[in-house]
Amino acid sequence: DAGVIQSPRHEVTEMGQEVTLRCKPISGHDYLFWYRQTMMRGLELLIYFNNNVPIDDSGMPEDRFSAKMPNASFSTLKIQPSEPRDSAVYFCASSFPGSNEKLFFGSGTQLSVL
Amino acid sequence: AQSVTQLGSHVSVSEGALVLLRCNYSSSVPPYLFWYVQYPNQGLQLLLKYTSAATLVKGINGFEAEFKKSETSFHLTKPSAHMSDAAEYFCAVRGSNFGNEKLTFGTGTRLTIIP
Repeated sequence: DAGVIQSPRHEVTEMGQEVTLRCKPISGHDYLFWYRQTMMRGLELLIYFNNNVPIDDSGMPEDRFSAKMPNASFSTLKIQPSEPRDSAVYFCASSFPGSNEKLFFGSGTQLSVL
Repeated sequence: AQSVTQLGSHVSVSEGALVLLRCNYSSSVPPYLFWYVQYPNQGLQLLLKYTSAATLVKGINGFEAEFKKSETSFHLTKPSAHMSDAAEYFCAVRGSNFGNEKLTFGTGTRLTIIP
């Protein structure tokens, strides 16, 4: 298995632009998590899905952030409009019941908003 | 609600010396506890986990951790540090109750190995 695949690996954009981050979870995994990592705040859970349904989005910072999971093999995290303070590494992770609570992380998307 | 506190954002040890990374947890229900490692420019990888079985948990790469309920701790140790252990280490917690999938991470400890 290729693991959790995230794209793009790096994204540089200007303030006010729309940014879309993509994630393909491991096949058969029915949980998907979006995390954000910054020096100041560490790893923060933004939202997670179970069977494509959002379960907890309490970590989404504000209405500029939205996440979707249209099917079991694809999820997006969108920021519109982007701001410099959104600069961070965004990780996607997946898991399934029976994986002994182990999260499988992607390599992350490094987002820089200028 | 669950949370973890990692004491020391940076730890340096000499090659061959004992590694000790500290983690204390807070949980309103019996916790599941984890240690993850992050190498530069990579995602996190699971080192080991405690899920209410043996309190001394052995993980990959020679690491182990002991769950101590009386101290609300889950410290990570390795008897002899290797250069390849240089990385950032994260302690994490979630509730053990069914449906509680939310994993909360600590702020991380960067481990440096001195040759």
